[in-house]
Amino acid sequence: DVKVTQSSRYLVKRTGEKVFLECVQDMDHENMFWYRQDPGLGLRLIYFSYDVKMKEKGDIPEGYSVSREKKERFSLILESASTNQTSMYLCASSSHTSVGETQYFGPGTRLLVL
Amino acid sequence: QQQVKQSPQSLIVQKGGIPIINCAYENTAFDYFPWYQQFPGKGPALLIAIRPDVSEKKEGRFTISFNKSAKQFSLHIMDSQPGDSATYFCAASIPTGGFKTIFGAGTRLFVKA
Repeated sequence: DVKVTQSSRYLVKRTGEKVFLECVQDMDHENMFWYRQDPGLGLRLIYFSYDVKMKEKGDIPEGYSVSREKKERFSLILESASTNQTSMYLCASSSHTSVGETQYFGPGTRLLVL
Repeated sequence: QQQVKQSPQSLIVQKGGIPIINCAYENTAFDYFPWYQQFPGKGPALLIAIRPDVSEKKEGRFTISFNKSAKQFSLHIMDSQPGDSATYFCAASIPTGGFKTIFGAGTRLFVKA
């Protein structure tokens, strides 16, 4: 069974703090993704990575950065947290395939920025 | 161009009913259309998926209907059960350097016992 774990289920931070969200997958997947989920907006892609040390911006990268030093680990960093970054953050991973792609999601981290 | 439009936002049906969730897309480069199911407190999980060369796919009580010319696809849940109550996301993938997946806004389904 594919397992994607996220370091925290709930986080409360203050405006201006630097926030680290960590994600680990155990299936040797090449691809990893960070999304944020907001009511009525679905899942929006923040950043993704197709390989170690490689990263690509998604649709809403502003205010975020990522790090992928090891294949199994993908970190999302909020350099200076703001209240509009209060959201559910979902990490996902997938394997390269020519016929489509199943993404495996972690349970999510609910972040509240005060 | 990159959007996937999903409707309705929420849906309430009686047990045994057939909820239908609809999605539409613009970009003809999409070539893989998955549906994800998300229960409260969990991440989304793949439910069923279809390629555009097929007009229908069934897995158990779940069916995807795909209309390539209209650029629309829908999820039907036959004999719905209270345990199907969840949020459902349609999505579409583009094969660019790996696959980029665009998600719809989600539909919250509640099946009344």
